Amino acid sequence: EGQLLESGGGLVQPGGSLRLSCVASGFTFSIYDMGWVRQSPGKGLEWVSTISGRGDSTYYADSVRGRFTISRDNSKNTLYLQMNSLRDEDTAVYYCEGGWNWGQGTQVTISS
Amino acid sequence: EIVMTQSPATLSVSPGERATLSCRASQSVSSNLAWYQQKPGQAPRLLVIGASTRATGIPARFSGSGSGTEFTLTISSLQSEDFAVYYCQQYYNWPRTFGQGTKVEIK
Repeated sequence: EGQLLESGGGLVQPGGSLRLSCVASGFTFSIYDMGWVRQSPGKGLEWVSTISGRGDSTYYADSVRGRFTISRDNSKNTLYLQMNSLRDEDTAVYYCEGGWNWGQGTQVTISS
Repeated sequence: EIVMTQSPATLSVSPGERATLSCRASQSVSSNLAWYQQKPGQAPRLLVIGASTRATGIPARFSGSGSGTEFTLTISSLQSEDFAVYYCQQYYNWPRTFGQGTKVEIK
C-alpha cells in the first residue's frame, strides 16, 4: 500500500501564493495519474486538479483554472501544486491522491 | 459536468443493522464510480472502486453495486467504527465530481 505525504500548507494573505508538495512512496508513482482534492471547513470533497503519469496532460476545476498549476517530478516521486492569486474561498485542507492512495492533507488558510 | 447526488443526507442506524446509501449520476458514468469513508479529522478512506470492487483491506460487510446512473453502497451489519460520512465520486470524465455525502449516525 502506498503512502503520500503533503507539505507546504500555511497561512497566506489574499492574492498571495503557496506551493504544495506531495512525496509518494510504496507504489510506482510514475504510472499513475496524480491529483489534488480539497475540503473547505465543514464542507464536502472538491476535486481540484489531476496530472497524467507522464505529466503531459493536466486537468483543472473551473474554480482554480488559470490560478493553480499542477506538476510532477517522477525522478523524485513528487507531485506539486503551485497556487497563485489565492482567495478566501481557497481555504481548505488539500489532499494529495493517486494510485487509489490518499495523503493526510495539508491546511491552507487564506486570510488577511 | 456530471452532478452526483447522494441520498439520504443523514442516515440513522442502530449497530448491527443494515445501511443502504444511494448515489445518482446526472448522466451515465458506466462503472467508473468510487466510494469513500471519512471520519472527523481524517483523510477519506477508499472503500470501493469500479462501482463494486472492494479496495484492499476493506471488510466484506461493505458492498457496492450499480452501473450507469444508479449506485448503492450497502453496509450489511453496522459496526461502531462505521459511523462516518460516505462520499461517492465519478471518474468517468472531467471534471471529477463528488456527491455531497451521506452521514451515517448512531440511532
